[in-house]
Formats: sequence, C-alpha cells, structure tokens
Amino acid sequence: DAGVIQSPRHEVTEMGQEVTLRCKPISGHDYLFWYRQTMMRGLELLIYFNNNVPIDDSGMPEDRFSAKMPNASFSTLKIQPSEPRDSAVYFCASSAPGLARYEQYFGPGTRLTVT
Amino acid sequence: GENVEQHPSTLSVQEGDSAVIKCTYSDSASNYFPWYKQELGKGPQLIIDIRSNVGEKKDQRIAVTLNKTAKHFSLHITETQPEDSAVYFCAASRSGGSNYKLTFGKGTLLTVNP
Repeated sequence: DAGVIQSPRHEVTEMGQEVTLRCKPISGHDYLFWYRQTMMRGLELLIYFNNNVPIDDSGMPEDRFSAKMPNASFSTLKIQPSEPRDSAVYFCASSAPGLARYEQYFGPGTRLTVT
Repeated sequence: GENVEQHPSTLSVQEGDSAVIKCTYSDSASNYFPWYKQELGKGPQLIIDIRSNVGEKKDQRIAVTLNKTAKHFSLHITETQPEDSAVYFCAASRSGGSNYKLTFGKGTLLTVNP
C-alpha cells in the first residue's frame, strides 16, 4: 500500500496567487480529512469528507479556502487568493470503513510558503 | 467544542528512562483517544489508541491510561531509545454517527539522549 499521497511536497508562491494542494487517499478508505499545522495553532482540522461528501467544514478559516472531492481517489484544497498567513504544512489523512474508521492515516504533508 | 491540553511541551530523558506525557480534555462525551508520533518532515503516525470503555492499553514499550472521571489520559514510554525522539500528539474524539473529528493537543517534543 502506497499510503496517503500528497502533492506537491513543497510550494512557494507569492501573495495573491492561487494555490492548489492535492491528495490521494488510501484505496478503500471512505473518510478524508484536511489539516493545517502551524507552530502557533498546532494541528487544526479544516474539513472532512465521507464518501466524497463534505461533512464538516467548520474549520475552514475563510472563503479564500475551498476543498473538493470529485471522486473516491482524489481531493483538492484550494486557496485563492493566498496570503502570507496561510504559510503552514497542510496534511491530508484518510480512514477506512468499519471499526477502523477511528484510525486516521496521514500523508507526508505539503509545506506551503506564501511570500 | 472539545479542547485538549497537553503537557509538557518539551521532555528530555536519558536513554533507558521512562517518559510520560499527559493530556486533559473538556468534552465528557469524548470516547476515543489516540496518540500520534510525528518525526521531522513526516506526517503524524498513529502509535496507540484507547476507547472510553478501557482504562489501560499496552503495546510493547508504550502504554496509554485513561481516567474518564478526571478527563485525562497519559502516554507512557518505557526503556526509551533514541529513535523514540519525535513530537507526540494526543487527540480526543466524540465519535459516532458520521462524526469522526479529532481535536489535537499542541504536542510534546520528546528528546531521548544516548
């Protein structure tokens, strides 16, 4: 199993530009989570999906952030326009059906720097 | 919403010693408590978890204890090794229905000195 795959691993962009982060969950997993990690705020849940449907987006900081899951094997997190305060590591995680759905498996993260 | 406090923020031990990290949570309805280990440049990795119907769980050198009355849970690592050096996160979840939302503590940087 390849695990959760995220791309790109590093992204450097200028303020005002659009940024798209990508995630491929583990095959067969039906929950997908997007997190943001910063020194100040730690790990924060942004949004999560079940069977491609958004369940809770209360952690999305503002309208500049949007997330989609067009199918079971792909999700995107988009920031438009980006701002320096969006600089962080963004993680995607997924979990399997049944009792194992409590166990979230994280990807390697995308380190975003907005200058 | 749920609030998870984690202590200490940093912990330094000698190889072979034990390490204990403690967390408290606010939502009495929380029923799932995982611990994650994050190495530099990597995503968090689940190392052990405990559910509210269990008071203690062990897996080789690591153990987790849960006190639901006091709303706190702890991670215990015995016979620490240099490869245990990492950031450890506790989390809590009020899981059920379609809600599998984890609230994380701020993390503990554990350093095991050889």
